[in-house]
Amino acid sequence: QVQLVQSGAEVKKPGASVKVSCKASGYTFINYVIHWVRQAPGQSLEWMGWINAGNGNTYCSRKFQGRVTINRDTSASTAYMELSSLRSEDTAVYYCAREDHLGELSFDYWGQGTLVTVSS
Amino acid sequence: SSELTQDPAVSVALGQTVRITCQGDSLRSYYASWYQQKPGQAPVLVIYGKSYRPSGIPDRFSGSSSGNTASLTITGAQAEDEADYYCKSRDSSGNLRLFGGGTRLTVL
Repeated sequence: QVQLVQSGAEVKKPGASVKVSCKASGYTFINYVIHWVRQAPGQSLEWMGWINAGNGNTYCSRKFQGRVTINRDTSASTAYMELSSLRSEDTAVYYCAREDHLGELSFDYWGQGTLVTVSS
Repeated sequence: SSELTQDPAVSVALGQTVRITCQGDSLRSYYASWYQQKPGQAPVLVIYGKSYRPSGIPDRFSGSSSGNTASLTITGAQAEDEADYYCKSRDSSGNLRLFGGGTRLTVL
């Protein structure tokens, strides 16, 4: 069965960076796009960006340009999202999600989420 | 415009029908997908495309679209349907994905 398993919770100080991993299993990793979505406490979902796991192309929201790096390791079937220059407003649960290109670009599978807390 | 607008909260009596709407210019060209999120859990896809349900999603969930508005309808709402619901679409470039602000559904 398809699974996306994310790395564990992180606590970071303002100005630091965090790298979250998303390990895929149960399907051919390089055939899909992985998206990153975050959710601040009590807030709505916020789309951050994507990576084409096959060719490595990426795209991210203008809001995060310059601060976010998305890459992948095809040998490990794992996607990564690194966010730098962290501030308190980046405290959120970060999700990865697989995009179904045959299903009208819906996000058919999600990781369990990774809580990133930014605090001095 | 690159925004999707949802009502913040909607309530429905147990067993009744409720419609949750999502408005945005992108919806004139692209279908929305809908996600259910319960407290402390990751979102779950419930509707995509014209009105397709992933395996395991009850048939009381359906979707529709007209003009710039997409709708998620729950026919015969159950207590377990109480959750936050988010719509999602894309922009014309195909690069951006957009989420609505979410609707909190209360089943009375």
